[in-house]
Amino acid sequence: AQSVTQLDSQVPVFEEAPVELRCNYSSSVSVYLFWYVQYPNQGLQLLLKYLSGSTLVESINGFEAEFNKSQTSFHLRKPSVHISDTAEYFCAVMGAGSYQLTFGKGTKLSVIP
Amino acid sequence: DTAVSQTPKYLVTQMGNDKSIKCEQNLGHDTMYWYKQDSKKFLKIMFSYNNKELIINETVPNRFSPKSPDKAHLNLHINSLELGDSAVYFCASSQVPLGGEQYFGPGTRLTVT
Repeated sequence: AQSVTQLDSQVPVFEEAPVELRCNYSSSVSVYLFWYVQYPNQGLQLLLKYLSGSTLVESINGFEAEFNKSQTSFHLRKPSVHISDTAEYFCAVMGAGSYQLTFGKGTKLSVIP
Repeated sequence: DTAVSQTPKYLVTQMGNDKSIKCEQNLGHDTMYWYKQDSKKFLKIMFSYNNKELIINETVPNRFSPKSPDKAHLNLHINSLELGDSAVYFCASSQVPLGGEQYFGPGTRLTVT
């Protein structure tokens, strides 16, 4: 079985400041890792994913995440946030050979003007 | 041309009633899912179908029954609704169950009074 821990439930940050949303996972098998974003009153959208290959993955809107196997982490970063980044961010893990996506409890990112 | 659609968007009903939520995807995906998001935003998988076959059946009350008439549809029927069933229910689909990106519907907010 897999589990995901998002260490911060809320992260307030000023506009144009950098941000890091932390995610740690636990699994006895190799994993696929995902970050999803949920804007208010909407469904989830995939932000980025790690399946294999390069441990640094990027999204089209400036976010990046790095898979660190030794630290079992997949932290999400953005060097300069915008008001429009205000949303709930979910880290998720799927174990190799498993059909099940396990989500963390989410981190609410609030960007302050 | 919505990729994953759900109806209804809002559902308010009384305890003891039976209700259904419908989900349709036009992405040609083979796998569909139902998730429950509680008031604290925690997302939990309930069911998953791959090519109309049940592949994930988490521990949920047997009052909840999924039905997949074809690959493009996965409906959720709930009998004898209880207050604790109040939540947002999300449908999702993916091309492949293993490591595949999941596309989420907009959600159905169920309120049981």
